[in-house]
Amino acid sequence: AQSVSQHNHHVILSEAASLELGCNYSYGGTVNLFWYVQYPGQHLQLLLKYFSGDPLVKGIKGFEAEFIKSKFSFNLRKPSVQWSDTAEYFCAVKTSGTYKYIFGTGTRLKVLA
Amino acid sequence: DTAVSQTPKYLVTQMGNDKSIKCEQNLGHDTMYWYKQDSKKFLKIMFSYNNKELIINETVPNRFSPKSPDKAHLNLHINSLELGDSAVYFCASSQAHRLAGADEQFFGPGTRLTVL
Repeated sequence: AQSVSQHNHHVILSEAASLELGCNYSYGGTVNLFWYVQYPGQHLQLLLKYFSGDPLVKGIKGFEAEFIKSKFSFNLRKPSVQWSDTAEYFCAVKTSGTYKYIFGTGTRLKVLA
Repeated sequence: DTAVSQTPKYLVTQMGNDKSIKCEQNLGHDTMYWYKQDSKKFLKIMFSYNNKELIINETVPNRFSPKSPDKAHLNLHINSLELGDSAVYFCASSQAHRLAGADEQFFGPGTRLTVL
C-alpha cells in the first residue's frame, strides 16, 4: 500500500535556525507532491507543490522543497525560521490512477523566540 | 467569499445522538473530501465524491454517511455518536484528475466535534 513517512514528529528550533523536514513516500509511479501547514487552531493551507519539471520547488513564506526521485523524498526546507512558523507540517502525495491524497503523520514545529 | 466553508464550527453532543456537518465550496471544483483529524493531528481520509459520485469510501463505520446533493456540497451525517467520534472533521475540495496533474486540495476551517 502507498504510504508517506515523516520521520520528525516534533522539532524545536530557535529563531533564525535552518529547518529541514523529511518526507518519504512509497510508490514507484508518477506522483504529485505537496506540503501543507496547519497553524494552531486553523485549517490546512498549501505551502508548495510539485507536479513536474524543476525538482526544486519554491513556496510561500520562504519555504522550498526538493524532489529526489531516486530517494522517493520531498524534504521541506527553510534557511531561517521565525516564531510565526510554529505549526504542524504535513507532507502529502497523490499518485496517478487515484483521486486519493495520502498524508504523512505530520511534524510539529515549535520555534522559540 | 470563503472558498470552502463548513458548518457548524463547533459541535458538542451526547453519545447516541445523530448529527450532521455541512460543507460547501465555491471554487467550481468537482471533487470533495471528508477527513478526520484525531487528537494526535493524524489526518485520515474518510470519503470522497467526484461529480456527486462516491469514489473513495475508506474503512469507516456505517454510522457515517456522506451525501452530495450537487458538486458544490458534501455533507456528513453521523448516527449514534460515540466517544471515539470526537475529533476535528475537515472538508476539502480539489479539481482532481485521476491520472495525473492533480491540483492541490483546499481545506475548510474544520468542525470540532465533542461527544460527551
